[in-house]
Amino acid sequence: SAVISQKPSRDICQRGTSLTIQCQVDSQVTMMFWYRQQPGQSLTLIATANQGSEATYESGFVIDKFPISRPNLTFSTLTVSNMSPEDSSIYLCSVEVGGNQPQHFGDGTRLSIL
Amino acid sequence: DQQVKQNSPSLSVQEGRISILNCDYTNSMFDYFLWYKKYPAEGPTFLISISSIKDKNEDGRFTVFLNKSAKHLSLHIVPSQPGDSAVYFCAARMGFQFYFGTGTSLTVIP
Repeated sequence: SAVISQKPSRDICQRGTSLTIQCQVDSQVTMMFWYRQQPGQSLTLIATANQGSEATYESGFVIDKFPISRPNLTFSTLTVSNMSPEDSSIYLCSVEVGGNQPQHFGDGTRLSIL
Repeated sequence: DQQVKQNSPSLSVQEGRISILNCDYTNSMFDYFLWYKKYPAEGPTFLISISSIKDKNEDGRFTVFLNKSAKHLSLHIVPSQPGDSAVYFCAARMGFQFYFGTGTSLTVIP
């Protein structure tokens, strides 16, 4: 498995501002994922971040709103830009450590926008 | 379109009895199924998985059953313990992408 540290654990932000969430893994991994969990909903994949290439975004998510960096094999960031109350969610990063292996998750960032 | 569904948002069970959590899916291309457990303020923690070529996988008190013809997955916990109280998510994989259900909140009553 992998140990994943995610920062911040929670934040309260003003409308129109941006927040960058960091995800650090204790081992090198090829694939990192960013999810959103809105209240009462399932985990929804935002994008897949592979080191050395542009992130791949799922339908409904765009790079201008959720820019992602993946500078090396142990670190990634997700920025939530120009936030509105609809962005209030838990944001989670996860990693896949190998084929036929489960994804492992960080503890998430609980984001509230006023 | 929700490809993985957990139709029971909550479940209460007496300590020592069996907990059965259910999950239905729509896509026959899923090849790997998982259950995660989530405590408040923590990320989901992997619990148990099953490949699509099997119909049962057991790990201690946890057993996952897969019925491919019915596109149905279930998690059995026996005996249930108060520490099992959490939200349980089922997930299914296609390619590298995982699809999650909406979760079932299990309460084990001492």
